Amino acid sequence: NAGVTQTPKFQVLKTGQSMTLQCAQDMNHEYMSWYRQDPGMGLRLIHYSVGAGITDQGEVPNGYNVSRSTTEDFPLRLLSAAPSQTSVYFCASSYSLNQETQYFGPGTRLLVL
Amino acid sequence: AQTVTQSQPEMSVQEAETVTLSCTYDTSENNYYLFWYKQPPSRQMILVIRQEAYKQQNATENRFSVNFQKAAKSFSLKISDSQLGDTAMYFCAFSPSYGKLTFGQGTILTVHP
Repeated sequence: NAGVTQTPKFQVLKTGQSMTLQCAQDMNHEYMSWYRQDPGMGLRLIHYSVGAGITDQGEVPNGYNVSRSTTEDFPLRLLSAAPSQTSVYFCASSYSLNQETQYFGPGTRLLVL
Repeated sequence: AQTVTQSQPEMSVQEAETVTLSCTYDTSENNYYLFWYKQPPSRQMILVIRQEAYKQQNATENRFSVNFQKAAKSFSLKISDSQLGDTAMYFCAFSPSYGKLTFGQGTILTVHP
């Protein structure tokens, strides 16, 4: 089992560019989520999905889109990158939505110039 | 909305000694889960311990234990026999019965030889 994988590990973007952060898990988990980590603020939930075809917004969804076409994959799209989106992004998954321990990927560090 | 507060931005401890990290939370939920995650310099989020709110018994995992005070909405982490490998950022997190983690700001713990 690879667990939760994320690509790329590091990315530099210019303001206005778009990109997709990839997340995949091989544990057959139904629940997947995206967080961003900023200094002094802990991790904040961006979007989450309770299963293929179902997504919902978290605490800080603006500027990000997600889709869930398969159980394994949950990509995060930045349509027009802004410097405020400079952050470390974590993908997480768990077997179900209810009270389950979430397993985190290694993170993607994004720098928007 | 739930909030999680970690009032200690940084802590330090000598190797083999005991240290306690504080966490308080605010919620109107009665059924929820609490977690402590460790984030070493590698940035990987690692689950340290979890506590179910309906259980009165405090959770323990080897050298890690919690002091869960539901009425006071307090959830502290005690690390006994501290080791150099315990040096990391520690996050307290709250999850209501419907999932979605809310994180505290984090506490940087440094273990000195």
